Amino acid sequence: DGGITQSPKYLFRKEGQNVTLSCEQNLNHDAMYWYRQDPGQGLRLIYYSQIVNDFQKGDIAEGYSVSREKKESFPLTVTSAQKNPTAFYLCASSVGLAGNEQFFGPGTRLTVL
Amino acid sequence: GNSVTQMEGPVTLSEEAFLTINCTYTATGYPSLFWYVQYPGEGLQLLLKATKADDKGSNKGFEATYRKETTSFHLEKGSVQVSDSAVYFCALKVSNFGNEKLTFGTGTRLTIIP
Repeated sequence: DGGITQSPKYLFRKEGQNVTLSCEQNLNHDAMYWYRQDPGQGLRLIYYSQIVNDFQKGDIAEGYSVSREKKESFPLTVTSAQKNPTAFYLCASSVGLAGNEQFFGPGTRLTVL
Repeated sequence: GNSVTQMEGPVTLSEEAFLTINCTYTATGYPSLFWYVQYPGEGLQLLLKATKADDKGSNKGFEATYRKETTSFHLEKGSVQVSDSAVYFCALKVSNFGNEKLTFGTGTRLTIIP
């Protein structure tokens, strides 16, 4: 079955540590996205990538970094510079940047202690 | 800029009640409009969409009509079920080469009571 996998589902880290969230898709989609979801707020775009080896900052990129070395993978690193990293992180992909549907993974809930 | 305003929740209804969740938008250009649903502990799933004015999107008994004159895309269902309990997000996308991003509303939590 095609889809998007994110691992792990729950992640705990100590303050000051960097942490990398995994996102893999086997839909053969070119575009991939990372969103952050906080209670009572909509999704906010962190980074997106149209194609391998290229990515763009979204609305709240500060304190985050990404890479896109393979079409299938778009890992997100939450760095110690992110002031409030505890949140639910969602990865998505679409056929192209202009694709009219984004497919979402199940999400990773990150808690920084 | 682009923005989406959704009816604030939470919304609690009895089973078989009629549902409306309001959504209005502001956009530069001609947006495509979407409703996504998020079940507890899961990611988002596309529920329905409309890409131009007067289009009606429908799926699983839910409907929404793209109203350009009122800049609205309200979600409706005639008879809700307990399994419809979830968070619903309205979203838009304006085609702008190199900047094709979804803008989401804040979400509306819906709870259906048996």
